[in-house]
This record gives sequence, structure tokens and C-alpha cells, in this order.
Amino acid sequence: ETGVTQSPTHLIKTRGQQVTLRCSSQSGHNTVSWYQQALGQGPQFIFQYYREEENGRGNFPPRFSGLQFPNYSSELNVNALELDDSALYLCASSLDQGARYFGPGTRLTVT
Amino acid sequence: RKEVEQDPGPFNVPEGATVAFNCTYSNSASQSFFWYRQDCRKEPKLLMSVYSSGNEDGRFTAQLNRASQYISLLIRDSKLSDSATYLCVVSQRGGTYKYIFGTGTRLKVLA
Repeated sequence: ETGVTQSPTHLIKTRGQQVTLRCSSQSGHNTVSWYQQALGQGPQFIFQYYREEENGRGNFPPRFSGLQFPNYSSELNVNALELDDSALYLCASSLDQGARYFGPGTRLTVT
Repeated sequence: RKEVEQDPGPFNVPEGATVAFNCTYSNSASQSFFWYRQDCRKEPKLLMSVYSSGNEDGRFTAQLNRASQYISLLIRDSKLSDSATYLCVVSQRGGTYKYIFGTGTRLKVLA
């Protein structure tokens, strides 16, 4: 096990609602990144936080936002949910820009 | 053109076979390279980092060709348990940081 945990495991939301997903990083890691994985696709990089600041972002709209806390845990917030936001959301932690270690993911369904 | 491209497969091989996957990337400024393994409905797990001089870990060998912008993964003496999707990852640091996955290559090892 990587020591990266995510909550909740599964979530069902309605279009237009907002959702917050949580991630606890592996002990000793200071960087957290988030990914969206649709069925049959590779994970898509959403953004990365390093020492509480966003320092990398993929091609996702501003309604995807996040936070990193002093203990390096992190939240992903998605506003105005759309049906296409249904996916597995993965969090990964690393020490600086090293290899990422992933949590088990949160499966989000938007109806 | 996608930033990271992989043949989606599936590659169906008999136990004991040797199989190789390639992954091409478009950004010549890419810095770090990794192979991950992902089982069905599970999170990606780091298989190995890819170093410029090539590296080996048991039955697995990874190579990097910067001139041609591809990385490869060779699996020798395939086991049934090697059946999974193999994802290549490229990290880039420009103005901001990105960690980009390919779509993955499915491998099925047959008894």
C-alpha cells in the first residue's frame, strides 16, 4: 500500500451540484496531484500542489479548484457538475517532483 | 497529436513470452519518465522509473531514446499475473509543471 488515502470511495451527485474530494498524502511527501480517469482512458492531469501552492495545471476549466493544507493533505473541488465529470478521481503524492504514488481513488457519478 | 501516445492493444501473449511496449512523446523538453501498471478498476502503481542509460528490474527493462522521443518497456518470461494495463508517464516543467499519462496498453498473458 502507498499510504495515500482518499475519501469518499464513491459519490453520486446531480448535475449542477458541487463536490469536494479529499486526499491524505504519504508521510514525508510534500506534493499532491489530482487526476481524472474516464473509463478506458489514461488518467488526465488536473493540477498539482507543492507546499500549499498550485504549481502545475492541465487542461481543466476553473470550476476545478483545489487546496493543499499545511499537513500536505489536499482537496479537489468541482463546481457546477456536468455529466462528463463522471469519472474516477485519483490523488497522488510525491516528494518534490519524484514518482507519484496513488491513492485508491474516488468514483464520482453525476446524474 | 497527443502529447503521449501508446498502442492501446490488447497484446495477447502466451505465458513465458517476451513482450515490448513503446510510448512516444511530443515535447522534447520532457524531463522524467515512468511506467505504471494499472489493474482493472484499481489505481495505477509505479512499476519503474526510466533512466537515460536504461534500467532493469527483474524481468522488466525500460529504455529511453531522447533523440526519437520514445520510451519502451520489455517484459521477459511473461506471467499470468502480468496481465494489466501499462501506462507510460512523461513529466514536463515549463512555466508550470505537468505529469502526462498515455492512454495505456492492455496486456493479457494467456495460459
